[in-house]
Formats: sequence, structure tokens, C-alpha cells
Amino acid sequence: DTAVSQTPKYLVTQMGNDKSIKCEQNLGHDTMYWYKQDSKKFLKIMFSYNNKELIINETVPNRFSPKSPDKAHLNLHINSLELGDSAVYFCASTGTSRHEQFFGPGTRLTVL
Amino acid sequence: SQQGEEDPQALSIQEGENATMNCSYKTSINNLQWYRQNSGRGLVHLILIRSNEREKHSGRLRVTLDTSKKSSSLLITASRAADTASYFCATGASGNTPLVFGKGTRLSVIA
Repeated sequence: DTAVSQTPKYLVTQMGNDKSIKCEQNLGHDTMYWYKQDSKKFLKIMFSYNNKELIINETVPNRFSPKSPDKAHLNLHINSLELGDSAVYFCASTGTSRHEQFFGPGTRLTVL
Repeated sequence: SQQGEEDPQALSIQEGENATMNCSYKTSINNLQWYRQNSGRGLVHLILIRSNEREKHSGRLRVTLDTSKKSSSLLITASRAADTASYFCATGASGNTPLVFGKGTRLSVIA
């Protein structure tokens, strides 16, 4: 059974469009994250949620808006997509007092 | 900002040889973790070493941590073609703070 799942796996869209990526974890974890991995494989934290509350919001443009309807879900909505948003976006989760993070398979976003 | 820096950036070895990757970091840490990423896939946790530990083993993996030098190494013994992947070190401060990843080492194991 998939622990952390993301949809869609691939997303190709035009500049200026609005798109969403969904993430779900069935591990019972309290904390979820969104990371962005660029073309050079550099992986950087974007957001962190704990029990549906935003904990960390790194210097991410406000075009990116995470939403956590419940502990098991953390979605990422992106407005007015730009070329530079092209990357692979990973969702991850971790449990209380645990340090290991469990990653989803990633969503490859291509903005044309 | 970037915390971990792995070296080498790329490593190519023959099957059966050992592979060593190094990681340096800048600030104080609670733990250091190594992850593997196969091409087109998500990251998979390999091993965690706490700041008060110096060495840890898991199967063919051996991790060392030198907090005085702010460095860690990952040794994969008797490598296999299936070990071909990118390997990332990540540092954790405390609790559930997000990990700060290095740039990764691309390992190629040639059969």
C-alpha cells in the first residue's frame, strides 16, 4: 500500500494557468511538507504543516498556497504559473518524535 | 540556504567495489540522514545518525559522523548495479523541522 501518494505524477501546462497538486499520506503522521527539486536536483523545503496548521513558509512566492483539509492531506495550489515553476514537487510526511521523512513519488510540473 | 554539501558530485564504480560519499554541513544539528533517490522516483530514507553517535551500520551501509568537523560519510560495501541512484545527506535540527538537503552524489555502479 502506498504510504505517501501524489497526484498527478506529471503536469504540463501553459504559463499563467492555475494548477493544484494533491498529496495524501496513510501513515497517521502529524507533519507534512512540500519540497521543490529543481533541474539540478537541489531539493528545498517550501512549506511545513503540523496538524493542519502552517508551521513553516519559506521564501516562496504567494502564488503558492498550501491547503491542509485534514492531517492526512496537504495540497498545493499554484496561481499564475511561470516558467521558473517547472520542477519536481515532492510531498513528505513524518510522525511525532520521528525524524525520518517519507516521500511521495513526486509531481513533475512543466510550464510551457 | 544550502546546508549539506556532498562530494563527489558523481561517482562511477564497478560492481563489487565499495562506494564512499561525503557530506559537510554548516550549523549545529540534531541528526543527519541519508536518502536515496532512484531516477524519476521519490526519496527513500536509508539511515539516520544522531549527533551523539559516531558510527552506524545498516546492512551494507555504514555511516560516520564527525560533529567537530561537521561532516559525515556514507559507505556502501560490495556495491550492486541496483545501488545506482543519487544519494543525499540531510540535516535535521530538532523535532519535525524540515530537513535541509545537500546537492547529492550521483552513483553509477557498472555491472
